[in-house]
Amino acid sequence: ETGVTQTPRHLVMGMTNKKSLKCEQHLGHNAMYWYKQSAKKPLELMFVYNFKEQTENNSVPSRFSPECPNSSHLFLHLHTLQPEDSALYLCASSPWDSGATSYEQYFGPGTRLTVT
Amino acid sequence: RKEVEQDPGPFNVPEGATVAFNCTYSNSASQSFFWYRQDCRKEPKLLMSVYSSGNEDGRFTAQLNRASQYISLLIRDSKLSDSATYLCVVTRTGANNLFFGTGTRLTVIP
Repeated sequence: ETGVTQTPRHLVMGMTNKKSLKCEQHLGHNAMYWYKQSAKKPLELMFVYNFKEQTENNSVPSRFSPECPNSSHLFLHLHTLQPEDSALYLCASSPWDSGATSYEQYFGPGTRLTVT
Repeated sequence: RKEVEQDPGPFNVPEGATVAFNCTYSNSASQSFFWYRQDCRKEPKLLMSVYSSGNEDGRFTAQLNRASQYISLLIRDSKLSDSATYLCVVTRTGANNLFFGTGTRLTVIP
């Protein structure tokens, strides 16, 4: 058990729907991440939050909207998605400081999203 | 050019075999290196960090060659439970952006 939970685990949605993915970490970390994993492609970093502040947005389309109300919770709001957005969406957390250390990231089990 | 490149495999090896994976990275500013393991339909988990002098953890040995910008993972005496996808990961100093390779799939056969 990784200490990072994600809900729902599976989601099927139409292109006109609005849904949200939720992530919660119980590890006391102060950085949280959203990744997208598609078949035959490397994990793609979508968003990074350090101390609840978004520090990275890797050119993600606006139909994906993250929200980080506190250091333990992270949401990904979805609206008007496309079929090519079908993928596994992974949340991760890690310690973070402004120094030179790169820390291990702990991943949640992911939400498998299918857009019809 | 991709940030991290790996041979996707698959590698099918018999139990007890030794298998090696290589990975190359394109950005010379990369400073931290990791191998993650991802089981089928599961999340990635850290297998080991890779240090400049090379490091070993039981049957697993990781090496880094900065001059050639490649990282390797050696697995000795393969077990059935080693079957998974092995992800090469690099990051830059002080950054928490991880760059993942596509992964190398290993199947250990009885």
